[in-house]
Amino acid sequence: QQQVKQSPQSLIVQKGGISIINCAYENTAFDYFPWYQQFPGKGPALLIAIRPDVSEKKEGRFTISFNKSAKQFSLHIMDSQPGDSATYFCAASSRAGNQFYFGTGTSLTVIP
Amino acid sequence: EAGVTQFPSHSVIEKGQTVTLRCDPISGHDNLYWYRRVMGKEIKFLLHFVKESKQDESGMPNNRFLAERTGGTYSTLKVQPAELEDSGVYFCASSPLLGLAGSSGEQFFGPGTRLTVL
Repeated sequence: QQQVKQSPQSLIVQKGGISIINCAYENTAFDYFPWYQQFPGKGPALLIAIRPDVSEKKEGRFTISFNKSAKQFSLHIMDSQPGDSATYFCAASSRAGNQFYFGTGTSLTVIP
Repeated sequence: EAGVTQFPSHSVIEKGQTVTLRCDPISGHDNLYWYRRVMGKEIKFLLHFVKESKQDESGMPNNRFLAERTGGTYSTLKVQPAELEDSGVYFCASSPLLGLAGSSGEQFFGPGTRLTVL
């Protein structure tokens, strides 16, 4: 049973557009929600993370929106650039140090 | 500072053979995790070491998989005998213990080992 569901599977966005990736979870014990970015041949790297005590976190062009009541969170990439083309994974964990539960990943392509 | 390293980067073996994957975590990280991604699916947890002890091995698929962490430093994951369904990318991640400097909850991932079982 998949603990974190992610959509879409793939996304194509024009340069300068907004990329939006959505995730949903069921386990209300989750209290840490990171987004990881993975380039081909590399391991996933933390992009941005949020805890459920806030509804939004912004770092540069990247924003996480978090809806605790709906058990959903999303990644918004503003002014998308070709260099943002990568696979993005959402994840959740119930306590720092515990395992991450990952979504299935979204392959983002930003076309010039 | 060196990141998490994994060896080999690729391995192609035949069904029934044995393969050993190695992970060197970031120096000073007591938490070490193994994950696996089968093509197109989610990255799935296999097990978690704290220093040399197995904290959680609930994700290990079966007894063909054996993980060790010698002296709380590097870790190995052995698959014996390998089956076709073991193919995938095996990731190792590490993090410092909670409460220590740099412990934000982030796990630092290595580049992975792509295992192909023919």
